[in-house]
Amino acid sequence: AQKITQTQPGMFVQEKEAVTLDCTYDTSDQSYGLFWYKQPSSGEMIFLIYQGSYDEQNATEGRYSLNFQKARKSANLVISASQLGDSAMYFCAMREGGQEKLVFGTGTRLLVSP
Amino acid sequence: AAGVIQSPRHLIKEKRETATLKCYPIPRHDTVYWYQQGPGQDPQFLISFYEKMQSDKGSIPDRFSAQQFSDYHSELNMSSLELGDSALYFCASSPIGQGDYNEQFFGPGTRLTVL
Repeated sequence: AQKITQTQPGMFVQEKEAVTLDCTYDTSDQSYGLFWYKQPSSGEMIFLIYQGSYDEQNATEGRYSLNFQKARKSANLVISASQLGDSAMYFCAMREGGQEKLVFGTGTRLLVSP
Repeated sequence: AAGVIQSPRHLIKEKRETATLKCYPIPRHDTVYWYQQGPGQDPQFLISFYEKMQSDKGSIPDRFSAQQFSDYHSELNMSSLELGDSALYFCASSPIGQGDYNEQFFGPGTRLTVL
């Protein structure tokens, strides 16, 4: 079974609008971490935001916020006030307790239009 | 701030040749991870090292080997290269004491093309 599911292969949003990128995960661990990374066309992986399984509040980092719904096992990324530079591939990833590796979803390609 | 350094950034090899990719983690980071990202794919974990010892292993082919040296840099050695090995290879590093957080800082990647 997929550990991380990103059901939106592509998303379009107009500049200055907000957009939500979906991510659901599957784990039986109580302790885990959820990450979002941005990958522009240049290829590098840029860390955006982290949510721990025991964190009671949703994580926020500037224009990025994570809508964490533990019971539904979802960790959606919300980008507010989209900018042209936000056009990129976005990956959701999970690290399960006691493990080193990150497991990634298949990504969502976001295109921001003027 | 210092980032993860990977070299070379681009590499072109023929089938059945060997390749060595190098990774220099952020200073004071003692854990190194290797990921492989095929064209249009998500990154797949290959292997990780903590304090120069292998700490986790993923879907790394037997043709590949890796190690971490005393200065914490790591090398991924790939032999008998196949066309399917063409991919972007990321190295990431993380510091100790992160607990469940364990943010991994990614390098810019090495793009390997096998002809």
